[in-house]
Amino acid sequence: DAGITQSPRYKITETGRQVTLMCHQTWSHSYMFWYRQDLGHGLRLIYYSAAADITDKGEVPDGYVVSRSKTENFPLTLESATRSQTSVYFCASSERQTQYFGPGTRLLVL
Amino acid sequence: QQQVKQSPQSLIVQKGGIPIINCAYENTAFDYFPWYQQFPGKGPALLIAIRPDVSEKKEGRFTISFNKSAKQFSLHIMDSQPGDSATYFCAASRWGGGADGLTFGKGTHLIIQP
Repeated sequence: DAGITQSPRYKITETGRQVTLMCHQTWSHSYMFWYRQDLGHGLRLIYYSAAADITDKGEVPDGYVVSRSKTENFPLTLESATRSQTSVYFCASSERQTQYFGPGTRLLVL
Repeated sequence: QQQVKQSPQSLIVQKGGIPIINCAYENTAFDYFPWYQQFPGKGPALLIAIRPDVSEKKEGRFTISFNKSAKQFSLHIMDSQPGDSATYFCAASRWGGGADGLTFGKGTHLIIQP
């Protein structure tokens, strides 16, 4: 019963590098989401997806790219990492109301 | 523009007390209001949720009170325990919460002292 997993759990990178955060869910939920969590800001929605090949921007999408070729996977790519993207990133999935969150990826951009 | 305002930022309560966390929203299109609990190093987990057609919902020691006219809702924790120490987030969404994501408050760091 894996549920929703994220990898890597921790990542250190340098400014300008491309980074991809992975998210995988075993429930076959239609909806998937990416949030970032920063002190003083709570969680903010980056991108979301209603189904494979359907994605849309959330509150803070700049600098991020997503794709969803398979229902169970929803990778998040930072095309050229910046220090302001240092954060904890959470993936979530849902079928109806309840969103289930993964354990998070802690990203540090130097 | 912050659409969900949460207070207080931090709260310390003695064991057995009733911590109360308040949230206010602006968007009248919101129709689903969950509370999430987060322990250090973990992802948020749904605690309890309410829709605007009811004024109160209880699940165990957790109660949501909802005031639609004031656009406010709050979380009460009865008989609080040290194990309830965590960060609590209120949230809101349209269309039942499943479609276009949640808008979160900034969180309340709750400490229950033994």
